[in-house]
Amino acid sequence: DQQVKQNSPSLSVQEGRISILNCDYTNSMFDYFLWYKKYPAEGPTFLISISSIKDKNEDGRFTVFLNKSAKHLSLHIVPSQPGDSAVYFCAASGDSGGSNYKLTFGKGTLLTVNP
Amino acid sequence: DTGVSQNPRHKITKRGQNVTFRCDPISEHNRLYWYRQTLGQGPEFLTYFQNEAQLEKSRLLSDRFSAERPKGSFSTLEIQRTEQGDSAMYLCASSSQVYEQYFGPGTRLTVT
Repeated sequence: DQQVKQNSPSLSVQEGRISILNCDYTNSMFDYFLWYKKYPAEGPTFLISISSIKDKNEDGRFTVFLNKSAKHLSLHIVPSQPGDSAVYFCAASGDSGGSNYKLTFGKGTLLTVNP
Repeated sequence: DTGVSQNPRHKITKRGQNVTFRCDPISEHNRLYWYRQTLGQGPEFLTYFQNEAQLEKSRLLSDRFSAERPKGSFSTLEIQRTEQGDSAMYLCASSSQVYEQYFGPGTRLTVT
């Protein structure tokens, strides 16, 4: 049972345009959401996060939007650059209780930014 | 570089052999996590340490797997009697904040 879903395996955009990556979740216990970027042969790199008490968080070219009622979040990258080409993972936390803030990941979306 | 390090980066072993991986977290981080990633999937949680205490293990962690974090610093993950289904990328992450975790480069295990 996939609790975090990224339904688009891949996305291709032109340099300078906006990239929008989507993520849906099913577990109402999740209260914190994160995006990670992963290059081949490297571990995931933390990008940006959002608490469930907010609906938007912005960091430079990256903005994450959270729609709690729809159990949906999205990552916007503006403007997209060729160096942004990577696999992007959506992750969620907060369902374990205690001090374990384990992450539940989606399957990832491969973003390709074309020059 | 004071990020999370993992050794070895690659390991090829024959079925039935034992393997051990090491993770060195960011020095001031008290939380340490192990994840496993297979092709086409996101990382999946295996186990969690707070300081030296192993506080949670996933049902994915069969009795052939054991993890330790002596003295609350580096951690090891051992797989006994490896099977071909154990082939995966094993990722370690550490954290001092509540949620944000910082990952190492991973150890890619291939069981032949």
